[in-house]
Amino acid sequence: DTEVTQTPKHLVMGMTNKKSLKCEQHMGHRAMYWYKQKAKKPPELMFVYSYEKLSINESVPSRFSPECPNSSLLNLHLHALQPEDSALYLCASSPGASGRAYNEQFFGPGTRLTVL
Amino acid sequence: GNSVTQMEGPVTLSEEAFLTINCTYTATGYPSLFWYVQYPGEGLQLLLKATKADDKGSNKGFEATYRKETTSFHLEKGSVQVSDSAVYFCALTSNQAGTALIFGKGTTLSVSS
Repeated sequence: DTEVTQTPKHLVMGMTNKKSLKCEQHMGHRAMYWYKQKAKKPPELMFVYSYEKLSINESVPSRFSPECPNSSLLNLHLHALQPEDSALYLCASSPGASGRAYNEQFFGPGTRLTVL
Repeated sequence: GNSVTQMEGPVTLSEEAFLTINCTYTATGYPSLFWYVQYPGEGLQLLLKATKADDKGSNKGFEATYRKETTSFHLEKGSVQVSDSAVYFCALTSNQAGTALIFGKGTTLSVSS
C-alpha cells in the first residue's frame, strides 16, 4: 500500500458546525502533515506530527485541532470555522527514519472544504 | 532561511513543444529537491526528485538535474502533451525528519492540440 487516503473528499459546513477530516497511511511512515491550499497557491504547512507527537504548529488558529491517535492515522478537528477557511486540506506523510529520502512526502488527494 | 523561486506562469505551449520551467533555490546544507504536479481538482503527486548534487530525477518524460553550483533544479520535457496541463510546484526540504516542504509559487502549464 503506497498511498495516503483522505476522507471525506468534499465537506460543506456552517460556521457553528463541528466536523473532522481523516487521513490514513499504511506505509509505516512516522511523520504526518496537514497543509492548507488556497486556489492557485502552493500548500501552506499547518501541523507536523513526528512519531505521533506534535512537533510543528505553524501558529494555526485554535479552531483547527489536530490529533494523531496512532502512527497510521491523522485527524483534523474543525470547529467554528470562518468562510475564509474554505480551501483544499492536504495530508501528507514521510518515512521519518534514517536515510537520504526519509523526508520525501507523499500526499493524499485532499478534502475540499467549504464553510458557509 | 530556505526558499524556492519558480518562473511565473502561465506557460502556454502547443502539443509536442519543448518545456522548461525554471526553479532556483536558497538553502543551507544539502536539501532534497522535488517537482510536484497538481492536475485540476486533485492533490499533489510527486513527479520526480533528487537528493544530492548532480542527481537527475526523471519520470513520464520529465527530467530535472540538481545543480549545486547554480542552485537550480529546472524541469524539462522534450515533447509535451495536452494531458501534461497542470500546475507544477518546485519544492525543497532539509534532510531532517519531519520538516516541511518549502514550495515555489507554482507554474501553470497549458498545452493545446
